[in-house]
Amino acid sequence: QVQLQESGPGLVKASETLSLTCTVSGDSISGYYWSWVRQPPGKGLEWIGYIYYSGGANYNPSLKSRVTISVDTSKNQFSLRLTSVTAADTAVYFCAKLSMGNPTREGVFDVWGQGTRVTVSS
Amino acid sequence: QSALTQPASVSGSPGQSITISCTGTSSDVGSYNLVSWYQQYPGKAPRVIIYEVSKRPAEISYRFSGSKSGNTASLTISGLQAEDEGDFYCCSYAGAYTYVFGTGTKVTVL
Repeated sequence: QVQLQESGPGLVKASETLSLTCTVSGDSISGYYWSWVRQPPGKGLEWIGYIYYSGGANYNPSLKSRVTISVDTSKNQFSLRLTSVTAADTAVYFCAKLSMGNPTREGVFDVWGQGTRVTVSS
Repeated sequence: QSALTQPASVSGSPGQSITISCTGTSSDVGSYNLVSWYQQYPGKAPRVIIYEVSKRPAEISYRFSGSKSGNTASLTISGLQAEDEGDFYCCSYAGAYTYVFGTGTKVTVL
C-alpha cells in the first residue's frame, strides 16, 4: 500500500522560507490528491492545503498568501513552501493522501506520513 | 474559517460508551456529509476511523460510530477500552475546496 515520508530541515530561521518534501512510495502519485497538515506543539491539527497530481492546488485561506504546494510526478514527490516564517509556524508537519472524487471514499485524509518536526528560530 | 469546536476532554470507564461532539456551522458540517474522524496517539500520525459522517474503514473496530445532526457531528465509542485513550479530531469539508479540523478531544479511560 501507499506510504508517505516527509523530509526537510528541522530548523528554519524566522523570516526565511520553510521547504519540505513528501516522497510517495508503493503507488504512483498520479491520479490522486495530496495534502499538508500541521500540528503546533501541544495543539490541534491545521489543514494547510492540497494539490492534485496534475498541479491544481488549494490552500487554507489563513495561510494562502505564504504557501505554495507543488508536485513532481517524475520523482513521485510533492512539496510545501511556506514563506516569511515566524515562531507560530513551529509545528510537526504531516503529508497526507486526500481521497477526493472517489465514489467510495470522499473527503478523507486516508494515508499519513509519520510527520517531521520543524522549529522556527529567532 | 474557524476550527470546529470539540470538548477538550471526555472520559469514561472501561465498557462504557462515550460521545464526542464536533460543532461547526452551516458552511461546513451543516452543508456537507464529508465529516471524518481521526485518532491520534502521542507522537504518532493521525489515522482515519470514520469518514463521510458514518462510514468506517474495514480495519476499524465496530465500536466506533459516527453521526450528524444539523451543524454538529458526533463520534461514539462503545465498549470503551484502555487502547482507546488518545486524541480525537473531526474534520469537515468547508466549501470552496477547503477543509477544517476540529479543536481536538482527549479521551481518558478511567
